[in-house]
Amino acid sequence: QSVLTQPPSVSGAPGQRVTISCTGSRYNLGTGFDVHWYQQLPGTAPKLLIYDNDNRPSGVPDRFSASKSGTSASLAITGLQAEDEAVYYCQSYDSSLSPNWVFGGGTKLTVL
Amino acid sequence: QVQLVQSGAEVRKPGASVKVSCKSSGYTFTDYYILWVRQAPGQGLECLGRINPNSGGTKTAQKFQGRVTMTRDTSLNTVYLELNSLTSDDTAVYFCARGIQLWFLESQGSFDYWGQGTLVTVSS
Repeated sequence: QSVLTQPPSVSGAPGQRVTISCTGSRYNLGTGFDVHWYQQLPGTAPKLLIYDNDNRPSGVPDRFSASKSGTSASLAITGLQAEDEAVYYCQSYDSSLSPNWVFGGGTKLTVL
Repeated sequence: QVQLVQSGAEVRKPGASVKVSCKSSGYTFTDYYILWVRQAPGQGLECLGRINPNSGGTKTAQKFQGRVTMTRDTSLNTVYLELNSLTSDDTAVYFCARGIQLWFLESQGSFDYWGQGTLVTVSS
């Protein structure tokens, strides 16, 4: 059971828009700690996709966007492409736990 | 460019220990936290703890306290993760990742660069 809750899977056709939710609690997202998103392609290390709630690192397409409100956050991917098929993780900091850095359980995105 | 390069795959028997290394390059090694994250087969990401490469200070997840040791060698720009009393549940890919700069709150910041991962297999 992950501290941050994500749907196990989402899917969409090429060109469509999908969203992935990340639900936390008053001890993490609700406290104001930032949320970050990672993309993990099969057999590779996670890659930072979004940092500090809604910022894209250099090189990440603007098809990826994210937002945070209260104890929830979401990642949106528009203009879905086959290469977006991956597992997506949200991550934040939790004031009540050890370790303090916590991840969601991951969401598998399938491009139909 | 920033790189974190980890040591190769390891196979251990139950009860043994393993030590994984993570060599940093392309930035000032003593300016950023390094965290260790593991991923069991088909599972999600789990943080084991973090090290301050400047002071050597560590913070270990309660679940792993007594079994995990994190160290660094500043002359080699390398951090190490040692895990003792291995069981089959420790079979996983272990990643190092760069955290935030030391002068910021550790609660801030993402993990912007990751090592390629080290597969540790525990099997009799």
